[in-house]
Amino acid sequence: DAMVIQNPRYQVTQFGKPVTLSCSQTLNHNVMYWYQQKSSQAPKLLFHYYDKDFNNEADTPDNFQSRRPNTSFCFLDIRSPGLGDAAMYLCATSSQGASQPQHFGDGTRLSIL
Amino acid sequence: QQQVKQSPQSLIVQKGGISIINCAYENTAFDYFPWYQQFPGKGPALLIAIRPDVSEKKEGRFTISFNKSAKQFSLHIMDSQPGDSATYFCAASSGYALNFGKGTSLLVTP
Repeated sequence: DAMVIQNPRYQVTQFGKPVTLSCSQTLNHNVMYWYQQKSSQAPKLLFHYYDKDFNNEADTPDNFQSRRPNTSFCFLDIRSPGLGDAAMYLCATSSQGASQPQHFGDGTRLSIL
Repeated sequence: QQQVKQSPQSLIVQKGGISIINCAYENTAFDYFPWYQQFPGKGPALLIAIRPDVSEKKEGRFTISFNKSAKQFSLHIMDSQPGDSATYFCAASSGYALNFGKGTSLLVTP
């Protein structure tokens, strides 16, 4: 089945230690998104790629970076994780164009020690 | 500023009953209104979506009602089942960003 796969499902890192989360998709979608979801809250968009075109949300901290080396893969880099960055990180994809259905992976739960 | 307001925050419905969740928005540029279902430890799954040129859309037990003039839309779950117990998010979009409501935790009791 075509899907969005996130690895790892759970990630523990130390305060200030860089961490990378990964996402892959078999849907061949042009657009890939990263959302942050804190406990009992709605997902919040961090940024998205339209093909290789990177689009950052205005309030996304500089601590968060992303890379998309090809259509299938996208990475979220957190350069110096703080305690407030503990959350579920969700990757999503959609076909080209705005206002299209977004398909989510099951997320990576990030804990900061 | 919350662009999409969702209510209620939590809902308890008996098996076989109708679950109703409401959302309201202000931005008239929104042109896509999806509903997502999320189980604990899982990502949101797209349930059903509507565009503003339609007032109602039904898929199985799930129906979206859309009132463009009132800038409101709602999700109706008919014949609610215990397996429907989850968190439901409405959302609205006019571009790439999904603006989510705060979510409704639905519990369907046997």
